[in-house]
Amino acid sequence: GAVVSQHPSWVICKSGTSVKIECRSLDFQATTMFWYRQFPKQSLMLMATSNEGSKATYEQGVEKDKFLINHASLTLSTLTVTSAHPEDSSFYICSARDYGTGNEKLFFGSGTQLSVL
Amino acid sequence: DAKTTQPPSMDCAEGRAANLPCNHSTISGNEYVYWYRQIHSQGPQYIIHGLKNNETNEMASLIITEDRKSSTLILPHATLRDTAVYYCIVRVSNNNNDMRFGAGTRLTVKP
Repeated sequence: GAVVSQHPSWVICKSGTSVKIECRSLDFQATTMFWYRQFPKQSLMLMATSNEGSKATYEQGVEKDKFLINHASLTLSTLTVTSAHPEDSSFYICSARDYGTGNEKLFFGSGTQLSVL
Repeated sequence: DAKTTQPPSMDCAEGRAANLPCNHSTISGNEYVYWYRQIHSQGPQYIIHGLKNNETNEMASLIITEDRKSSTLILPHATLRDTAVYYCIVRVSNNNNDMRFGAGTRLTVKP
């Protein structure tokens, strides 16, 4: 099946710094990617929809200026957590759909554990 | 997308079949039933999906009731590595939308 690669797997940063997370579709093109956040013992919550070549669509309550999304190519979307604070510590997951084969399935990255000190 | 209801947790003995139920009484005619699972600290993994017919693949079987208001995911011979949170999701296929995750069922396979 299609592969979505997410990097890094984990990152520790100081409060106030910015962290970039990459999401790549390795063997297919993804015009749309999705970014989720998951807190311990909770389900995945959609943060935003990343659209290639256009602005991302953010869910209610998600600050677009804090969580910057760039989807500059059909195989790469990035999520930058700007001026990170301890409350931003979470598990971030991306997903993408392989439209090329008409595949109805979403494929997920392995996730990024962010810890802000 | 239709809402789903799953039990919060289930146990299963290793080697036995794990039957995970899901209620989706408000499902509409063009909505599929998808199952994903999430092993601790990993991204969700696709398992299976179906519209109205029962489906089987190398991972599991999906049984959908005739009225489509509920379904059951069957892992025929559960192993310890099947311990995970299992999510039942109902959504229209081939649209531009994301997957909306509920609380899921935490399956624990015990030796």
